[in-house]
Amino acid sequence: ETGVTQTPRHLVMGMTNKKSLKCEQHLGHNAMYWYKQSAKKPLELMFVYSLEERVENNSVPSRFSPECPNSSHLFLHLHTLQPEDSALYLCASSQGYDRGSYGYTFGSGTRLTVV
Amino acid sequence: RKEVEQDPGPFNVPEGATVAFNCTYSNSASQSFFWYRQDCRKEPKLLMSVYSSGNEDGRFTAQLNRASQYISLLIRDSKLSDSATYLCVVPFSGGYNKLIFGAGTRLAVHP
Repeated sequence: ETGVTQTPRHLVMGMTNKKSLKCEQHLGHNAMYWYKQSAKKPLELMFVYSLEERVENNSVPSRFSPECPNSSHLFLHLHTLQPEDSALYLCASSQGYDRGSYGYTFGSGTRLTVV
Repeated sequence: RKEVEQDPGPFNVPEGATVAFNCTYSNSASQSFFWYRQDCRKEPKLLMSVYSSGNEDGRFTAQLNRASQYISLLIRDSKLSDSATYLCVVPFSGGYNKLIFGAGTRLAVHP
């Protein structure tokens, strides 16, 4: 266990469904991230939260909606997704966000398939 | 130049071989760098951090060349368990902890 837990591990959803991905970190970190990893592509940053405030939205379509109720929990709400949204969604946390010297700890990811 | 660029490989090497990967980056202001390892269908895991000219951890050595803006990862005495994709990671410009991941270099170690 890395200290970052994601659920569910696998998710299959239809294009009209609404679902949520959950991430919880037990490391006392102050920053949390959502990344998308599609087949044969680099990790793409989606959202960043620092101390529960969204500080980055990397031009992500509105069908993805993040929520960070506290510094330990992060959600990604999904609705009306497209098949090209099928990917591995990774949550990560880091000690801080104010300078670029903290590595990330990743959760195991949610493998999403949109049918 | 791309923000982070890696040779995708694959590098196919026998057990016991020494293998090196290079990574180039475009942000000359970056201060810290990372190598992550990602096994097939798993999450990336931090392998090494590189804050100055280099870092060594057992069979793994990371080196940084700021003048040429590249980082390297050297693996000595390769093991079968080293087979994975190695991701070069660089902070995004702006001073915040936003990390840019390279596409990765795949290593396959065979008996």
